[in-house]
Amino acid sequence: GESVGLHLPTLSVQEGDNSIINCAYSNSASDYFIWYKQESGKGPQFIIDIRSNMDKRQGQRVTVLLNKTVKHLSLQIAATQPGDSAVYFCADTGRRALTFGSGTRLQVQP
Amino acid sequence: GAGVSQSPSNKVTEKGKDVELRCDPISGHTALYWYRQRLGQGLEFLIYFQGNSAPDKSGLPSDRFSAERTGESVSTLTIQRTQQEDSAVYLCASSLSSASYEQYFGPGTRLTVT
Repeated sequence: GESVGLHLPTLSVQEGDNSIINCAYSNSASDYFIWYKQESGKGPQFIIDIRSNMDKRQGQRVTVLLNKTVKHLSLQIAATQPGDSAVYFCADTGRRALTFGSGTRLQVQP
Repeated sequence: GAGVSQSPSNKVTEKGKDVELRCDPISGHTALYWYRQRLGQGLEFLIYFQGNSAPDKSGLPSDRFSAERTGESVSTLTIQRTQQEDSAVYLCASSLSSASYEQYFGPGTRLTVT
């Protein structure tokens, strides 16, 4: 069946380092992917998106890479800050609603 | 402007009771979604409303779950005869339209069934 999953449940990085969060998907028909950030006790917050006709998109301190050959996308956060500590979800929109992975918890060590 | 709001923020109920959760989407957003998030898990799609079209109920886990939406405004998710496995955070999201994939989430309602 379709699924969106993440490789690592927890990622710990030092403040100032770059973070890379990975995600695998199985639905070849997915045409749009989104990364969400969820802080404790809050709803998910949109970070960045990418369409299937692109392989890279940059935002402020964040970059999303899409490799359709191996059905893999990643979120890169530059100069990670304490405020980046949260759970990060990738989601695809092959259907009308989002299909979410289980999330990766990013812990930023001071 | 105001974001998506949900009420109550927390709800504790006894097994077997019915509960109603409310979602107020962003004004002007025609699409509204309900998700369930169990502890340490990702988001599980429940139901989707788009304008006056028939809702997509394909994610509802059982007939104890139902949802309504009044026009393009408030939505209520009802869980009848609650079970302990219904304990989760219920998240509502809205978007400008189904074609506008960016969804804006509310803070969620944490439901605990004792």
